[in-house]
Amino acid sequence: DIVMTQSPDSLAVSLGERATINCKSSQSVLFNSKNQNYLAWYQQKPGQPPKLLIYWASTRESGVPDRFSGSGSGTDFTLTISSLQAEDVAVYYCQQYYTTVRTFGQGTKVEIK
Amino acid sequence: EVQLVQSGAEVKKPGESLKISCKGSGYSFTSYWIGWVRQMPGKGLEWMGIIYPGDSDTRYSPSFQGQVTISADKSISTANLQWSSLKASDTATYYCVTSQGVTTPTLKWGQGTLVTVSS
Repeated sequence: DIVMTQSPDSLAVSLGERATINCKSSQSVLFNSKNQNYLAWYQQKPGQPPKLLIYWASTRESGVPDRFSGSGSGTDFTLTISSLQAEDVAVYYCQQYYTTVRTFGQGTKVEIK
Repeated sequence: EVQLVQSGAEVKKPGESLKISCKGSGYSFTSYWIGWVRQMPGKGLEWMGIIYPGDSDTRYSPSFQGQVTISADKSISTANLQWSSLKASDTATYYCVTSQGVTTPTLKWGQGTLVTVSS
C-alpha cells in the first residue's frame, strides 16, 4: 500500500493568517501519461462525513471557497488555506486514489490561535 | 443529484453478525464504484474496499480482506458491508463513498453508520 504521511499533526493559526498542511506519499501518485496527480484533500468537522475540497491535487471542488488551494506533484503535496476563517476549524486529510487501496494520511487538526 | 443514504446506527454484541447498507440514487448505480471507509472513535479514515455493482468486481484493502464482506444488490441500488462475527474493535463509524472509476476522485460520501459492539 502507498503510505501517506501528513505534517504537522496539528496547527494553530490566527484568524486571517495562512495555514499550510503537507502530505507526502511513499511512492509517486503522478500518472505520467495523463500528467495527473491522483491526490485529494478532505475537510472533516465533528459529527460530519468528510467533505471533498481538492482533487487531482489542485482542482477545487465546486462550491469550495477560493482561500483553499492545493499544490504539489509526484510525492509531495500541500493544502493551503490563505486566510483562516473560524469555520475552517476541522481535521484535514489527504488521500491518494492512484491505487485501488485508496490510503489516507493520518489527518491534521487545524485550530484557531 | 447524487445521494448515498446509509442504514441506521447499530448496537451489537461480540460474536453477532451484521449487515449495513448504502443506497445510491440520482445516478446510474451500476456504472459507478462504491467504496467503504472506517473511522474508529476519535481516529482517522481507513480505506476498506470497493465494489463495482455492475459486475460485483470487488477489491479489498489487505487490512480488511477476510474480516468483512462487501456486496451489492443492483436491483435495489444498494451496497452492503457485512460481518459474520463482530468484535469490540469493529466499533466505528462506517462511510460509503462513490466514484466513477476505481482510481478517480470520490464524488459523494454517505452520512455514516455508527456500529457499536459491546457486551
